[in-house]
Amino acid sequence: DAGVIQSPRHEVTEMGQEVTLRCKPISGHDYLFWYRQTMMRGLELLIYFNNNVPIDDSGMPEDRFSAKMPNASFSTLKIQPSEPRDSAVYFCASSLAPGGADGYTFGSGTRLTVV
Amino acid sequence: AQKVTQAQTEISVVEKEDVTLDCVYETRDTTYYLFWYKQPPSGELVFLIRRNSFDEQNEISGRYSWNFQKSTSSFNFTITASQVVDSAVYFCALGLAGGTSYGKLTFGQGTILTVHP
Repeated sequence: DAGVIQSPRHEVTEMGQEVTLRCKPISGHDYLFWYRQTMMRGLELLIYFNNNVPIDDSGMPEDRFSAKMPNASFSTLKIQPSEPRDSAVYFCASSLAPGGADGYTFGSGTRLTVV
Repeated sequence: AQKVTQAQTEISVVEKEDVTLDCVYETRDTTYYLFWYKQPPSGELVFLIRRNSFDEQNEISGRYSWNFQKSTSSFNFTITASQVVDSAVYFCALGLAGGTSYGKLTFGQGTILTVHP
């Protein structure tokens, strides 16, 4: 398996534009997580899905953020409109089950810069 | 609420030195999982180890070893004979096995390890 695949690797956009980040989890993994990493706040969970259903979105910072998982092999995180404070590295991770022996597998991340 | 504290923000050592990264966690749950991840300069997060709360056995994997002590809520990570390639940010994380936080990982702030040649 190719692991968790995220696209794009880098995204530079202007304030006010819509940004869509994409994630393909490992086949067979039932859990998908979106994390954000910043210098100030470290790694924080935004939302996670189980069997394509959002379970906890309490980490989503505000209504400008939305996430979907239309099927088991694809998820998106959308920011509309984007703001400079959204600049961060966004990670997607998947897991066969919470606490799985192989841990959570993270993608390579998307580095988002909003200017 | 869960909390993970990595008190050492940065550690600098010379190659071949042993180094221990500290991790202290807080949770009221009795069933939980602890993790260590490595983030090299390239930015990806690499899984190193997972431990569940019922298994306090220490573990060794090559130059890496982990010491889990429930009595002190600590899960420390030791690198023996460090190498330049060990230079990275290391994260300790806590995951719960039940309740509304099921599946979520709470990360520590990370420890930046620099190994000088």
